[in-house]
Amino acid sequence: DAMVIQNPRYQVTQFGKPVTLSCSQTLNHNVMYWYQQKSSQAPKLLFHYYDKDFNNEADTPDNFQSRRPNTSFCFLDIRSPGLGDAAMYLCATSRKDTLSPLHFGNGTRLTVT
Amino acid sequence: AQSVTQPDIHITVSEGASLELRCNYSYGATPYLFWYVQSPGQGLQLLLKYFSGDTLVQGIKGFEAEFKRSQSSFNLRKPSVHWSDAAEYFCAVENFGNEKLTFGTGTRLTIIP
Repeated sequence: DAMVIQNPRYQVTQFGKPVTLSCSQTLNHNVMYWYQQKSSQAPKLLFHYYDKDFNNEADTPDNFQSRRPNTSFCFLDIRSPGLGDAAMYLCATSRKDTLSPLHFGNGTRLTVT
Repeated sequence: AQSVTQPDIHITVSEGASLELRCNYSYGATPYLFWYVQSPGQGLQLLLKYFSGDTLVQGIKGFEAEFKRSQSSFNLRKPSVHWSDAAEYFCAVENFGNEKLTFGTGTRLTIIP
């Protein structure tokens, strides 16, 4: 089945230690998103790629970066995680210019110690 | 800017009873509207979507939603809930063309025997 896969499901990192979360998709969608979801809150969009074009949300901290080396993969890099960055990180995809809803992965739960 | 309001933070319903989750949006044009469901520790799964046409839309798992332009609402309904419906439900709106989805704050559904 075509899907969005996030690895790992659970990630523990130390305060200030860089961490990378990964997302892959077999849907051949041209838009990929990263959302941050803290406990009992709505998902918050960090940034998205439309093909290779990177679109950062105005309030996304510089500590968060992203890479999309090809259509199938997208990475979220947190350069110096703080305790406040502990959250569920959700990757999603969609196909621009079609009536295509977002397809979400199962998320990566990040713990910062 | 578009926004979504889910006025009920938490709803408890008896198994077999009917359910209605409320969603109101603020948007200048006709929005694209979605309901997603999230089980604990999981990603978001699309229940149903409204783009245009018939204002009553059917989704998966026996859910339906009705778009009411005059009330700026898109309430989710189910005639008879099952224990497996216990989850967090998110309403979302999209401004077609800018690839962004704005979520409401969610409604947590608890099912009691």
